[in-house]
This record gives sequence, C-alpha cells and structure tokens, in this order.
Amino acid sequence: GQNIDQPTEMTATEGAIVQINCTYQTSGFNGLFWYQQHAGEAPTFLSYNVLDGLEEKGRFSSFLSRSKGYSYLLLKELQMKDSASYLCAVYGSGNTGKLIFGQGTTLQVKP
Amino acid sequence: NAGVTQTPKFRILKIGQSMTLQCAQDMNHNYMYWYRQDPGMGLKLIYYSVGAGITDKGEVPNGYNVSRSTTEDFPLRLELAAPSQTSVYFCASTSGEPNTQYFGPGTRLTVL
Repeated sequence: GQNIDQPTEMTATEGAIVQINCTYQTSGFNGLFWYQQHAGEAPTFLSYNVLDGLEEKGRFSSFLSRSKGYSYLLLKELQMKDSASYLCAVYGSGNTGKLIFGQGTTLQVKP
Repeated sequence: NAGVTQTPKFRILKIGQSMTLQCAQDMNHNYMYWYRQDPGMGLKLIYYSVGAGITDKGEVPNGYNVSRSTTEDFPLRLELAAPSQTSVYFCASTSGEPNTQYFGPGTRLTVL
C-alpha cells in the first residue's frame, strides 16, 4: 500500500525553530516534495529532495533519509506568516508525475 | 505567464445538476492533474493527463469525467452533482522534470 504520515497540528512561538516530520511507505520512490498552503489558498512549492541529506533554502530546510522512509521540514526564525499547512508529497513509481500527498500539518505560530 | 488558471472561483450547485470546472495553463506543461481537498485533509487525485488526448483515473474518479483535447486545457466535468462532491478543487500542472507541480487558485464547490 501507499501511506504518508504527518502530525495533524503543531504550535510554535515566533522566532523559534520547528521541525515537521513525514514518514512514507510507497511503491517506488522518485522524490519527496514539501508544499506550503495558507488557509483558503493553493499549495505552493517549498522544497524537493531526491537524494539523502539536507537541502537548505533560506529559513527553510528539508531532510531526506530514503532508507528510513523519513523526511522533515525545518523552519527557522519563525514568523507569524509561517502559520499555514505544510504538505508532504511523494513521487512514487512510473513516469506519470503523480504525487501522493499526506494529510498535511497545520502549524500555528504564536507571538 | 498567467501560470495555472481555474474558473469559476466559487459555485453552488443543486443535487443532480452538472457543471464543468475549467483549468488552463500557459507553461506548455504536458502533465496536468485534478485534485479535491476536503476540510482539514490532504489532496486526493481525481484524474490526470500525461499529454493531449491521454487521460487516466486517479484515486477518487467516481462522479467525474475529464478530457484533454489541447496541451493547455484540462476541464473537469461533474455529472449529477451530489453533496459528497462539496469540496475545493485544484488543478495542477508540471513539465515532469523534476516534477514540481504548480497549482491553480482552486474552485470552491458546494452541492446542496
């Protein structure tokens, strides 16, 4: 089967660091994506990992361990505007481009 | 580039009515997708297309139909709307390398 797990909700304080975890079990693996989705808006691309290790992009970093079926998104120096849902998605097997999405983690940043 | 556009933004349907949700992209992407997102949930794939003239079912295709006569357009048809189809519908596209999908603004559909 195909399964992607993320925590449903997280809360953090402005200026802090938060780590959002994602574990996956999929038939095939060709990459893992993180998307940000503000309430009432469309998802927007944040990061892409296909090899093990850490990808850093400003305040956001994403880590992948293919052997463990595990990824995390790290958000540093949290700002109020980071309050949003964060979606983990896996590109599995085949060449259809299909992504399998987790249910998303709603992050609330408090002052 | 306008990216991915969707119309309408909002729609209320009565049970049994039909409608077409429009999606267009101007990035010359071959791959296009339709998702639905229920409150507090992730995205579920309804239908997808890997090029003009080619479509296939996703995870939740029942009650929907699609067509892809051009690279740019990928309309989603709802026949005999049911309350279970109340959702937000997103269209997305990608060139396939490295498969980053770009999303339209969504259509919020309510079936009463």
